[in-house]
Amino acid sequence: GENVEQHPSTLSVQEGDSAVIKCTYSDSASNYFPWYKQELGKRPQLIIDIRSNVGEKKDQRIAVTLNKTAKHFSLHITETQPEDSAVYFCAANYNNNDMRFGAGTRLTVKP
Amino acid sequence: SAVISQKPSRDICQRGTSLTIQCQVDSQVTMMFWYRQQPGQSLTLIATANQGSEATYESGFVIDKFPISRPNLTFSTLTVSNMSPEDSSIYLCSVYLPTGELFFGEGSRLTVL
Repeated sequence: GENVEQHPSTLSVQEGDSAVIKCTYSDSASNYFPWYKQELGKRPQLIIDIRSNVGEKKDQRIAVTLNKTAKHFSLHITETQPEDSAVYFCAANYNNNDMRFGAGTRLTVKP
Repeated sequence: SAVISQKPSRDICQRGTSLTIQCQVDSQVTMMFWYRQQPGQSLTLIATANQGSEATYESGFVIDKFPISRPNLTFSTLTVSNMSPEDSSIYLCSVYLPTGELFFGEGSRLTVL
């Protein structure tokens, strides 16, 4: 089955700096790679996703890149703000089957 | 997008008892997924609930401990049986939206004393 590894486990940045979180996956058949943000006490919420037919996707201050050959994908947050502080999870799956999640990254943005 | 209603939102339970969590979706879906999130941890799939067939359990999870019902295309229940403190977690119901997004309910936070 799919195995997703995520790094780093914690990340602290100064407001305005960029943050990068990286994930690798094991199943070459995986074709969907979402990123979730989970604030304290709340459900995980999708913030951006990418499918295997594209290499990069951007939505305002967040972007995701995918390298299918190396089986890794990354989340980039630019101009970080204190409200970006949360736990971020990457995930991977194939054709809407069971989704496998990374271990999570606790991002702290210091004002 | 779909709306998922989970009940209870939280509960405090005694060791050895069982608790059933309900998940109601506002549209018909083929598969419903139950995840566990232990304190400070990631999301782990417990099982996939299909209407009209037995749930499919992931390695490490068994039907006797986590029985699941799926009586129709909009509803499912997860029971946590014979609870111990190690079962203290958030249990989340989820479904796929037509966009392909895996959408989560608000979760049920269980504390077992």
